[in-house]
Amino acid sequence: DAGVIQSPRHEVTEMGQEVTLRCKPISGHDYLFWYRQTMMRGLELLIYFNNNVPIDDSGMPEDRFSAKMPNASFSTLKIQPSEPRDSAVYFCASSFPRRGTGNNNEQFFGPGTRLTVL
Amino acid sequence: GIQVEQSPPDLILQEGANSTLRCNFSDSVNNLQWFHQNPWGQLINLFYIPSGTKQNGRLSATTVATERYSLLYISSSQTTDSGVYFCAVELKRIYNQGGKLIFGQGTELSVKP
Repeated sequence: DAGVIQSPRHEVTEMGQEVTLRCKPISGHDYLFWYRQTMMRGLELLIYFNNNVPIDDSGMPEDRFSAKMPNASFSTLKIQPSEPRDSAVYFCASSFPRRGTGNNNEQFFGPGTRLTVL
Repeated sequence: GIQVEQSPPDLILQEGANSTLRCNFSDSVNNLQWFHQNPWGQLINLFYIPSGTKQNGRLSATTVATERYSLLYISSSQTTDSGVYFCAVELKRIYNQGGKLIFGQGTELSVKP
């Protein structure tokens, strides 16, 4: 399997512009997560989906951020309008939790998108 | 909320040395993962270890869930081991929430040749 795929790998934009980050989870995984990593706050969860439905978006910093998962193999995280404080590395991750014997919630991360907002 | 604390925050080793990294967590957890973030920023899965001990080559990990800590052992360290090591936990009380992870602040390891 190719693992979690993210695009673009790097994005440089100007304040006020719209930014769209993309993610393809591992095939068969039914949970998808968006994280953000900054020096100040470390790695923090923004939002996650189960079977394409948003479950918890309490980590989304404000209304400028939105995320969608139109199908099982694609998700987007959009920032509109972007601000310099949004500069960070954004990671997408996926998992396929299995309960009972052999319980395994292991989460796998994509390579990240490094966003710079000037 | 849950606290995930890693120690030490920074560590410098000479190549060939051994080290132990610690992760303490303040609440019961469903699972625990160790990651290595390499100098290129990629998060590499090391261990999925909610309890017990696992080994993978020069690395091993032990989680004592009842005492709320986990240890990551690195033996015969190499320069390629450099990077940041993260511990991340899934809270037990949100059992059906698919593995939502809370990360520690990491241990930054530098292995010198």
